[in-house]
Amino acid sequence: AAGVIQSPRHLIKEKRETATLKCYPIPRHDTVYWYQQGPGQDPQFLISFYEKMQSDKGSIPDRFSAQQFSDYHSELNMSSLELGDSALYFCASSFGGNEQFFGPGTRLTVL
Amino acid sequence: TQLLEQSPQFLSIQEGENLTVYCNSSSVFSSLQWYRQEPGEGPVLLVTVVTGGEVKKLKRLTFQFGDARKDSSLHITAAQPGDTGLYLCAGERNSGNTPLVFGKGTRLSVIA
Repeated sequence: AAGVIQSPRHLIKEKRETATLKCYPIPRHDTVYWYQQGPGQDPQFLISFYEKMQSDKGSIPDRFSAQQFSDYHSELNMSSLELGDSALYFCASSFGGNEQFFGPGTRLTVL
Repeated sequence: TQLLEQSPQFLSIQEGENLTVYCNSSSVFSSLQWYRQEPGEGPVLLVTVVTGGEVKKLKRLTFQFGDARKDSSLHITAAQPGDTGLYLCAGERNSGNTPLVFGKGTRLSVIA
């Protein structure tokens, strides 16, 4: 069965640079969620989209933005990167508010 | 303040032993999920419980949702080294397209 796809899997950036993370949900899933997981931490919700509209907003910094496109894929744009942004970024998708299935994550390292 | 308190945080047991992981909250959840996460990978969904008092079994794993939908437990019978990993409980406060709130996880190590 198809799973959530995230790219890239690993990303290394310098401070103050920008980064774009991509998420391709499971086919026919209409909702995408973004989570950030710091080292040894539990995942923290950032933002979600339902049918291409923002549905919930969590602890997402103003330097970050995201959107969901017509094909339901989503992109998380991160600007003015800081050392503290180094983390695993997960995308999850669901259909009709049912269970969320997570992608393999993008490991972002900011140097 | 952690909305979902998970315990124990770490657990190291011998192969063949039984164990229980707890997930507690003062808040009511519309549903609660249990995930297992390997290092550097995404959480993998094990089970979702929705009804108060519900019990679900997945081979040697038994999941229970509290009657008041505020707590849940995961019981593993005859643990095996392959059960080693991080177990996360996560709850939805409202039904439908709402973000998950995670517990801090239980890191289980099963020694052969």
